[in-house]
Amino acid sequence: QKEVEQNSGPLSVPEGAIASLNCTYSDRGSQSFFWYRQYSGKSPELIMSIYSNGDKEDGRFTAQLNKASQYVSLLIRDSQPSDSATYLCAAVNQAGTALIFGKGTTLSVSS
Amino acid sequence: ETGVTQSPTHLIKTRGQQVTLRCSSQSGHNTVSWYQQALGQGPQFIFQYYREEENGRGNFPPRFSGLQFPNYSSELNVNALELDDSALYLCASTNRGGKSTDTQYFGPGTRLTVL
Repeated sequence: QKEVEQNSGPLSVPEGAIASLNCTYSDRGSQSFFWYRQYSGKSPELIMSIYSNGDKEDGRFTAQLNKASQYVSLLIRDSQPSDSATYLCAAVNQAGTALIFGKGTTLSVSS
Repeated sequence: ETGVTQSPTHLIKTRGQQVTLRCSSQSGHNTVSWYQQALGQGPQFIFQYYREEENGRGNFPPRFSGLQFPNYSSELNVNALELDDSALYLCASTNRGGKSTDTQYFGPGTRLTVL
């Protein structure tokens, strides 16, 4: 069974701090990785995609991928209370058909 | 908003009944995937439809079935509902064969409660 693992949290950071979210995956055949944000009672919203080793930046968000360590992370700079949500890490399966999700990490940003 | 729509928003059924959920994909997208998300869990892949055929299936029993129509919209059917089927059902669309063939965009979901 291919898996994606995340710490469930909650991760609590003060406003303006950097939040660091981590994820590991078991399927070495996975080539594409995604971070989704999910507010309570809502559906997942795409934040970032990453396909190559290294860093990818988009505004306050930076995704990092290390395929050798099977590790994906998301950094949120200058965290805002509106960033408080559950962050889901997902890997595409080798067949390219399904997203395999972790259970999500709950982030709480206090003002 | 992603342009993916789902109906209904909420649904209450009793155990043993059957339910049909509907999804319209984002314009330009030809592939629809369905996920089940139980409370406190990440979404679980049910199946994917491409060119009106099932193109991959997760670990769900045959009472979960689907359809895709020529306009790429899709239905998820669940027969003989069980209490554990209570969940948020998510539809996601993507454009298979496009530049980002595996980026999936989610609809708002259907909250199903089985009593």
